Amino acid sequence: EPEVTQTPSHQVTQMGQEVILRCVPISNHLYFYWYRQILGQKVEFLVSFYNNEISEKSEIFDDQFSVERPDGSNFTLKIRSTKLEDSAMYFCASNKAGGGQETQYFGPGTRLLVL
Amino acid sequence: AQSVAQPEDQVNVAEGNPLTVKCTYSVSGNPYLFWYVQYPNRGLQFLLKYITGDNLVKGSYGFEAEFNKSQTSFHLKKPSALVSDSALYFCAVRDRSTGGFKTIFGAGTRLFVKA
Repeated sequence: EPEVTQTPSHQVTQMGQEVILRCVPISNHLYFYWYRQILGQKVEFLVSFYNNEISEKSEIFDDQFSVERPDGSNFTLKIRSTKLEDSAMYFCASNKAGGGQETQYFGPGTRLLVL
Repeated sequence: AQSVAQPEDQVNVAEGNPLTVKCTYSVSGNPYLFWYVQYPNRGLQFLLKYITGDNLVKGSYGFEAEFNKSQTSFHLKKPSALVSDSALYFCAVRDRSTGGFKTIFGAGTRLFVKA
Protein backbone atom coordinates (compact mmCIF):
# COMPACT_ATOMS: atom_id res chain seq x y z
CA GLU A 1 0.00 0.00 0.00
CA PRO A 2 1.43 3.40 -0.92
CA GLU A 3 2.31 5.69 1.94
CA VAL A 4 3.59 9.16 2.73
CA THR A 5 7.24 9.20 3.76
CA GLN A 6 9.16 11.87 5.64
CA THR A 7 12.84 12.55 6.22
CA PRO A 8 14.60 12.90 8.53
CA SER A 9 12.77 11.12 11.33
CA HIS A 10 14.55 13.29 13.90
CA GLN A 11 16.39 16.57 13.59
CA VAL A 12 18.21 18.58 16.20
CA THR A 13 19.20 22.14 15.37
CA GLN A 14 20.42 25.29 17.03
CA MET A 15 18.13 28.28 17.45
CA GLY A 16 18.41 30.60 14.46
CA GLN A 17 19.41 27.88 12.02
CA GLU A 18 17.45 26.99 8.91
CA VAL A 19 15.87 23.55 8.62
CA ILE A 20 14.24 21.80 5.71
CA LEU A 21 11.84 18.97 6.36
CA ARG A 22 11.15 16.65 3.46
CA CYS A 23 8.11 14.68 2.48
CA VAL A 24 7.29 12.38 -0.39
CA PRO A 25 3.50 12.29 -0.78
CA ILE A 26 1.62 9.41 -2.33
CA SER A 27 2.40 9.52 -6.03
CA ASN A 28 -1.02 10.24 -7.55
CA HIS A 29 -2.02 12.74 -4.88
CA LEU A 30 -2.41 16.40 -5.76
CA TYR A 31 -3.05 18.14 -2.43
CA PHE A 32 -0.35 18.44 0.19
CA TYR A 33 -0.32 19.62 3.77
CA TRP A 34 1.90 20.29 6.73
CA TYR A 35 0.75 19.96 10.34
CA ARG A 36 2.61 20.17 13.59
CA GLN A 37 2.10 18.67 17.02
CA ILE A 38 3.87 20.20 19.98
CA LEU A 39 4.60 17.50 22.55
CA GLY A 40 1.46 16.53 24.39
CA GLN A 41 -0.72 18.96 22.49
CA LYS A 42 -3.10 18.75 19.60
CA VAL A 43 -2.30 18.54 15.93
CA GLU A 44 -2.33 21.99 14.30
CA PHE A 45 -2.81 22.84 10.65
CA LEU A 46 0.02 24.83 9.09
CA VAL A 47 -0.52 24.99 5.34
CA SER A 48 -2.16 23.36 2.35
CA PHE A 49 -0.64 23.34 -1.15
CA TYR A 50 -2.14 22.61 -4.53
CA ASN A 51 -1.11 23.29 -8.09
CA ASN A 52 2.21 24.76 -6.97
CA GLU A 53 0.73 27.35 -4.68
CA ILE A 54 -0.50 27.71 -1.14
CA SER A 55 -4.26 27.11 -0.87
CA GLU A 56 -4.65 28.02 2.77
CA LYS A 57 -2.40 28.73 5.73
CA SER A 58 -2.84 29.21 9.43
CA GLU A 59 -1.67 32.06 11.61
CA ILE A 60 1.20 29.84 12.73
CA PHE A 61 2.58 29.81 9.17
CA ASP A 62 4.33 33.17 9.26
CA ASP A 63 7.16 34.57 7.14
CA GLN A 64 9.62 32.18 8.75
CA PHE A 65 7.92 29.26 7.04
CA SER A 66 7.83 28.35 3.37
CA VAL A 67 6.81 25.34 1.34
CA GLU A 68 7.97 24.09 -2.00
CA ARG A 69 7.50 21.25 -4.41
CA PRO A 70 10.93 21.32 -6.02
CA ASP A 71 10.34 18.35 -8.27
CA GLY A 72 7.59 15.87 -9.09
CA SER A 73 7.88 13.92 -5.88
CA ASN A 74 9.15 15.95 -2.93
CA PHE A 75 7.24 18.46 -0.81
CA THR A 76 9.34 20.48 1.61
CA LEU A 77 8.77 22.70 4.63
CA LYS A 78 11.50 25.24 5.36
CA ILE A 79 11.86 27.11 8.60
CA ARG A 80 14.24 30.00 7.97
CA SER A 81 15.37 30.87 11.47
CA THR A 82 14.24 28.33 14.01
CA LYS A 83 12.98 29.32 17.43
CA LEU A 84 12.75 27.20 20.57
CA GLU A 85 8.98 27.08 20.20
CA ASP A 86 9.31 25.46 16.78
CA SER A 87 10.23 22.23 18.56
CA ALA A 88 7.47 19.82 17.61
CA MET A 89 6.56 16.83 15.53
CA TYR A 90 5.87 17.90 11.95
CA PHE A 91 3.53 15.78 9.87
CA CYS A 92 3.12 15.88 6.13
CA ALA A 93 -0.14 14.70 4.59
CA SER A 94 -1.59 14.30 1.13
CA ASN A 95 -4.84 13.47 -0.59
CA LYS A 96 -5.88 12.75 -4.11
CA ALA A 97 -8.55 15.32 -4.81
CA GLY A 98 -10.00 18.48 -3.42
CA GLY A 99 -13.35 19.30 -1.89
CA GLY A 100 -12.59 18.23 1.64
CA GLN A 101 -14.17 14.79 1.55
CA GLU A 102 -10.99 13.01 0.59
CA THR A 103 -9.08 11.14 3.26
CA GLN A 104 -5.76 12.70 4.14
CA TYR A 105 -2.90 10.25 4.52
CA PHE A 106 -0.26 11.24 7.02
CA GLY A 107 3.43 10.52 7.11
CA PRO A 108 5.20 9.22 10.23
CA GLY A 109 6.46 12.69 11.13
CA THR A 110 9.75 14.47 11.72
CA ARG A 111 10.58 15.27 15.30
CA LEU A 112 12.32 18.65 15.38
CA LEU A 113 14.18 19.78 18.44
CA VAL A 114 15.49 23.33 18.57
CA LEU A 115 18.15 23.99 21.20
CA ALA B 1 -14.74 29.75 13.45
CA GLN B 2 -14.31 26.02 13.23
CA SER B 3 -13.57 24.09 16.38
CA VAL B 4 -13.58 20.57 17.70
CA ALA B 5 -14.02 19.57 21.33
CA GLN B 6 -13.06 16.26 22.85
CA PRO B 7 -14.29 16.68 26.41
CA GLU B 8 -12.39 13.74 27.90
CA ASP B 9 -8.61 13.75 28.15
CA GLN B 10 -8.68 10.05 28.94
CA VAL B 11 -11.09 7.15 28.72
CA ASN B 12 -10.53 3.91 30.63
CA VAL B 13 -12.29 0.74 29.55
CA ALA B 14 -11.97 -2.93 30.42
CA GLU B 15 -11.21 -5.28 27.55
CA GLY B 16 -14.41 -6.67 26.05
CA ASN B 17 -16.53 -3.74 27.17
CA PRO B 18 -17.98 -1.18 24.76
CA LEU B 19 -16.12 2.08 24.39
CA THR B 20 -17.16 5.59 23.45
CA VAL B 21 -14.86 8.52 22.72
CA LYS B 22 -16.78 11.78 22.52
CA CYS B 23 -16.47 14.58 19.99
CA THR B 24 -18.48 17.72 19.33
CA TYR B 25 -17.81 20.24 16.63
CA SER B 26 -18.63 23.73 15.50
CA VAL B 27 -18.50 24.86 11.87
CA SER B 28 -20.32 27.57 9.99
CA GLY B 29 -21.37 25.27 7.16
CA ASN B 30 -21.76 21.54 6.75
CA PRO B 31 -18.92 19.46 8.11
CA TYR B 32 -16.79 16.66 6.93
CA LEU B 33 -15.87 14.70 10.06
CA PHE B 34 -12.98 12.34 10.66
CA TRP B 35 -11.44 10.15 13.32
CA TYR B 36 -7.75 9.39 13.42
CA VAL B 37 -5.72 7.21 15.79
CA GLN B 38 -2.12 7.79 16.85
CA TYR B 39 0.04 5.09 18.36
CA PRO B 40 3.18 6.05 20.29
CA ASN B 41 5.88 7.58 18.07
CA ARG B 42 3.76 7.08 14.99
CA GLY B 43 1.83 9.27 12.59
CA LEU B 44 -1.91 9.62 12.36
CA GLN B 45 -3.87 6.74 10.93
CA PHE B 46 -7.27 7.28 9.38
CA LEU B 47 -10.13 5.38 11.04
CA LEU B 48 -13.32 6.64 9.44
CA LYS B 49 -15.11 9.66 8.06
CA TYR B 50 -18.57 11.12 7.64
CA ILE B 51 -19.25 12.90 4.39
CA THR B 52 -22.97 12.53 3.75
CA GLY B 53 -25.74 9.95 3.91
CA ASP B 54 -26.11 7.37 6.64
CA ASN B 55 -25.40 8.86 10.05
CA LEU B 56 -23.69 5.67 11.25
CA VAL B 57 -20.28 5.29 9.70
CA LYS B 58 -18.21 2.13 9.95
CA GLY B 59 -14.45 2.23 9.79
CA SER B 60 -11.25 0.33 10.40
CA TYR B 61 -10.60 -2.15 13.24
CA GLY B 62 -14.30 -2.46 14.15
CA PHE B 63 -14.78 1.20 15.01
CA GLU B 64 -17.88 3.16 14.09
CA ALA B 65 -19.11 6.69 14.66
CA GLU B 66 -22.50 8.31 14.68
CA PHE B 67 -23.09 11.74 13.20
CA ASN B 68 -25.73 13.68 15.11
CA LYS B 69 -26.48 16.98 13.43
CA SER B 70 -28.78 18.34 16.14
CA GLN B 71 -26.22 17.71 18.84
CA THR B 72 -23.26 18.54 16.56
CA SER B 73 -21.57 15.38 17.72
CA PHE B 74 -19.57 12.60 16.13
CA HIS B 75 -18.80 10.10 18.88
CA LEU B 76 -16.49 7.17 18.17
CA LYS B 77 -17.66 3.76 19.35
CA LYS B 78 -16.64 0.14 19.41
CA PRO B 79 -18.80 -2.68 20.78
CA SER B 80 -15.95 -4.63 22.35
CA ALA B 81 -12.62 -2.99 23.22
CA LEU B 82 -9.24 -4.66 22.78
CA VAL B 83 -6.05 -3.93 24.70
CA SER B 84 -4.48 -3.11 21.33
CA ASP B 85 -6.99 -0.24 20.91
CA SER B 86 -5.08 1.70 23.56
CA ALA B 87 -3.87 4.83 21.77
CA LEU B 88 -4.55 8.54 21.27
CA TYR B 89 -7.68 9.33 19.27
CA PHE B 90 -8.29 12.57 17.40
CA CYS B 91 -11.55 13.88 16.06
CA ALA B 92 -11.21 16.30 13.14
CA VAL B 93 -13.46 18.50 11.04
CA ARG B 94 -13.31 20.24 7.70
CA ASP B 95 -15.80 22.89 6.65
CA ARG B 96 -16.97 22.07 3.14
CA SER B 97 -18.16 25.64 2.61
CA THR B 98 -14.56 26.94 2.78
CA GLY B 99 -13.14 24.45 0.31
CA GLY B 100 -12.21 21.84 2.86
CA PHE B 101 -8.47 22.43 2.74
CA LYS B 102 -7.91 22.94 6.43
CA THR B 103 -8.45 20.17 8.94
CA ILE B 104 -9.09 21.23 12.52
CA PHE B 105 -8.23 18.63 15.13
CA GLY B 106 -9.53 18.16 18.62
CA ALA B 107 -7.11 17.96 21.53
CA GLY B 108 -7.17 14.19 21.53
CA THR B 109 -8.48 11.55 23.93
CA ARG B 110 -6.18 8.92 25.32
CA LEU B 111 -7.86 5.52 25.46
CA PHE B 112 -6.63 2.92 27.94
CA VAL B 113 -8.01 -0.57 27.61
CA LYS B 114 -7.19 -2.80 30.55
CA ALA B 115 -6.97 -6.57 30.23
